[in-house]
Amino acid sequence: GENVEQHPSTLSVQEGDSAVIKCTYSDSASNYFPWYKQELGKRPQLIIDIRSNVGEKKDQRIAVTLNKTAKHFSLHITETQPEDSAVYFCAASPAPGGYQKVTFGTGTKLQVIP
Amino acid sequence: NAGVMQNPRHLVRRRGQEARLRCSPMKGHSHVYWYRQLPEEGLKFMVYLQKENIIDESGMPKERFSAEFPKEGPSILRIQQVVRGDSAAYFCASSPPGGTNEKLFFGSGTQLSVL
Repeated sequence: GENVEQHPSTLSVQEGDSAVIKCTYSDSASNYFPWYKQELGKRPQLIIDIRSNVGEKKDQRIAVTLNKTAKHFSLHITETQPEDSAVYFCAASPAPGGYQKVTFGTGTKLQVIP
Repeated sequence: NAGVMQNPRHLVRRRGQEARLRCSPMKGHSHVYWYRQLPEEGLKFMVYLQKENIIDESGMPKERFSAEFPKEGPSILRIQQVVRGDSAAYFCASSPPGGTNEKLFFGSGTQLSVL
């Protein structure tokens, strides 16, 4: 089955700096890579996703990059703000159609220091 | 359109009791997933269900745990004879039918505490 590894497990940045979270996956059949944000005591929520036919996707201050050859994908947050403090999970899922299981990384706890 | 509804929000059980966790998916969604989250850990897949069918239960412990998603009513995750190690947050997620069902919408979770 799919195995998703995520680094670092914790990350502290000064407000205004950038944060980068990296993930690797094992199953070359995976082609959908969502990122979820979980604030303390809250539910995980999808913040951005990317499919394997795209190398990069941007949405305001967040961007994701995907290197399918190396099986790497990353989340980039620029101009971090205190409200970005949360746990971020990467995930991988095989091609749509039929059954697919989303496999999550172990999470990165991001702390933005004001 | 209400989101994924889970109840109860908090559940306290003594060792040996049964725990029943409920999940109502978003309107129009026919796929339900259950995940377990231990403190300071990630989301561990437990089971994937469609109406009246268990599609994948590869993440479910072999004993004491069961799940169902009946034709009518919510999905139920049932834990019999709970032990302290079952204490965790249990999240349910749903997704719509069709080919692009990988986007998961999570409920607020049930925090199970076993005394």
